[in-house]
Amino acid sequence: AQSVSQHNHHVILSEAASLELGCNYSYGGTVNLFWYVQYPGQHLQLLLKYFSGDPLVKGIKGFEAEFIKSKFSFNLRKPSVQWSDTAEYFCAVNGFYYSSASKIIFGSGTRLSIRP
Amino acid sequence: GAGVSQSPRYKVAKRGQDVALRCDPISGHVSLFWYQQALGQGPEFLTYFQNEAQLDKSGLPSDRFFAERPEGSVSTLKIQRTQQEDSAVYLCASSLAGRTGSSGNTIYFGEGSWLTVV
Repeated sequence: AQSVSQHNHHVILSEAASLELGCNYSYGGTVNLFWYVQYPGQHLQLLLKYFSGDPLVKGIKGFEAEFIKSKFSFNLRKPSVQWSDTAEYFCAVNGFYYSSASKIIFGSGTRLSIRP
Repeated sequence: GAGVSQSPRYKVAKRGQDVALRCDPISGHVSLFWYQQALGQGPEFLTYFQNEAQLDKSGLPSDRFFAERPEGSVSTLKIQRTQQEDSAVYLCASSLAGRTGSSGNTIYFGEGSWLTVV
């Protein structure tokens, strides 16, 4: 079965600090990988996604993620965070050849708090 | 509409009461998903429709949960005889095509229906 692990439940950073949020998944086949963000009081929004090709994926708002197949990882990075990045971040995976449907499996989330 | 619309946004139900949660997906979207998100957790898959066909209901936690999408657009998630453990945010999402494996196929989420069972 597919699963997603996010190692950090709560990360606190100061503005301008660099960010890396860990994500590991378990699935033996080809995968699609996603990072979603949920700002306070808002709905889940897609930050970036990886389907194939260049393992370094650029997303919105200066975020990027690197797919490392050998490590089953898809860590999210941002070189310099802003106060407005305060949100909950979810890593998610979808097995490309999953039999029946487009079931996306989410991690438990990482809460990011930025000190102004 | 411009996005996925869900109603009610907030619902307080007494234990044992039946509730119905509505989802209006983005116009023309083939796929519709329901997820349950408990406090402090990531969304958990409940069920998936492609048009009016319910292709996957493996995530529904019990037979008290029932979802339908009779005309392939609006969907309703019904919970019978609600229990306290049903308290969660219920998220609806839709996408244009049938598989997220397609490179252009993004899933869009609604704001959720917050259910509290007392």
